[in-house]
Amino acid sequence: EADIYQTPRYLVIGTGKKITLECSQTMGHDKMYWYQQDPGMELHLIHYSYGVNSTEKGDLSSESTVSRIRTEHFPLTLESARPSHTSQYLCASSEDSPYGYTFGSGTRLTVV
Amino acid sequence: GESVGLHLPTLSVQEGDNSIINCAYSNSASDYFIWYKQESGKGPQFIIDIRSNMDKRQGQRVTVLLNKTVKHLSLQIAATQPGDSAVYFCAETDNTDKLIFGTGTRLQVFP
Repeated sequence: EADIYQTPRYLVIGTGKKITLECSQTMGHDKMYWYQQDPGMELHLIHYSYGVNSTEKGDLSSESTVSRIRTEHFPLTLESARPSHTSQYLCASSEDSPYGYTFGSGTRLTVV
Repeated sequence: GESVGLHLPTLSVQEGDNSIINCAYSNSASDYFIWYKQESGKGPQFIIDIRSNMDKRQGQRVTVLLNKTVKHLSLQIAATQPGDSAVYFCAETDNTDKLIFGTGTRLQVFP
């Protein structure tokens, strides 16, 4: 049973719309991560957080933003979606990174 | 449509055979390596890890080999089963808390 949850699983949205991808974990982990993954390709870190009110940009530049107001919640927002944002977004958390990463099932985003 | 698989190396094996999936890494400072399995529609799942002070580690039906001289990592799966069909990723870290993922390999198991 997954302890990290992402919603929605699939999202098709029009260009210019604002969207928020949700990620919640019930393990009390301080560290959380967002990865972007194109189909069949490697994962690229776009955002991470070491705890409440801590957010950092990852290695891959992204137009998205994140917030960490609560330990268990790490939402990712796109203010104005574009077709280039079409991808899969994976959330992960860890108690003692880089060990023990737990990944969510991902959100498959399509911007039309 | 999606281009799933077009960019991905694929290994096809017969059920019951052993599988070997390879990964090359570039950072000589990397000291911790992990193999992940990603099934369709799911996030990556931890399989096995190895630290740089080891060259081999075994789990249940899986073995990871590390060759630091040539910066090469491999995952061996014994008696491959249909449930092993997935994309496999290696990941590395150089004692930071961020993982760097490699290009995956798709494993297809046929009867």
